[in-house]
Amino acid sequence: ETGVTQTPRHLVMGMTNKKSLKCEQHLGHNAMYWYKQSAKKPLELMFVYNFKEQTENNSVPSRFSPECPNSSHLFLHLHTLQPEDSALYLCASSLQLAGALTDTQYFGPGTRLTVL
Amino acid sequence: AQKVTQAQTEISVVEKEDVTLDCVYETRDTTYYLFWYKQPPSGELVFLIRRNSFDEQNEISGRYSWNFQKSTSSFNFTITASQVVDSAVYFCALRRNNQGGKLIFGQGTELSVKP
Repeated sequence: ETGVTQTPRHLVMGMTNKKSLKCEQHLGHNAMYWYKQSAKKPLELMFVYNFKEQTENNSVPSRFSPECPNSSHLFLHLHTLQPEDSALYLCASSLQLAGALTDTQYFGPGTRLTVL
Repeated sequence: AQKVTQAQTEISVVEKEDVTLDCVYETRDTTYYLFWYKQPPSGELVFLIRRNSFDEQNEISGRYSWNFQKSTSSFNFTITASQVVDSAVYFCALRRNNQGGKLIFGQGTELSVKP
């Protein structure tokens, strides 16, 4: 149990749908992250938030829209996705500000997204 | 360029065998951190270890041990007396200092431990 939860665990959506992924951390951490894990590819960092402020957008298409209302919650809003966006989306959090030397990220179980 | 290579895509062993997962990294930085994570079939990445670039002492935690060799830019992970529950994908990752928390992951090694 790492204290990072994600809902839903599985999501199937059409290309015209709008859906949101939710992440919640119960660890009192200050930084939160979204990663994408596609089959046969390394994990790719998408977004980083420090104290609710976005500090990194790793050239992610605008059809992915993150939201961080507070340090404990992180959302990923999805709209007009493509089949190639099908992947496991992982949320992570860390105690320190992202980039601090002793920063360790703890991950949630992920949302398995399928875009039809 | 920063890069992490896990050359072993898949490894299959029989229970109780020892197994070593290789990790080779590339960086020009003098200060950096290396990590190992385990991803069981449930999908969640489980943190195993963090090692900074100035600490080359090997570490042992139960059946797990890590060998950090700066001279060869390697950070290998050994599981002694493997068990079926060790079956998972294992990721090695590199984090540079002052890089906004970005972890550079290897491709992962899928370990299958058969009874």
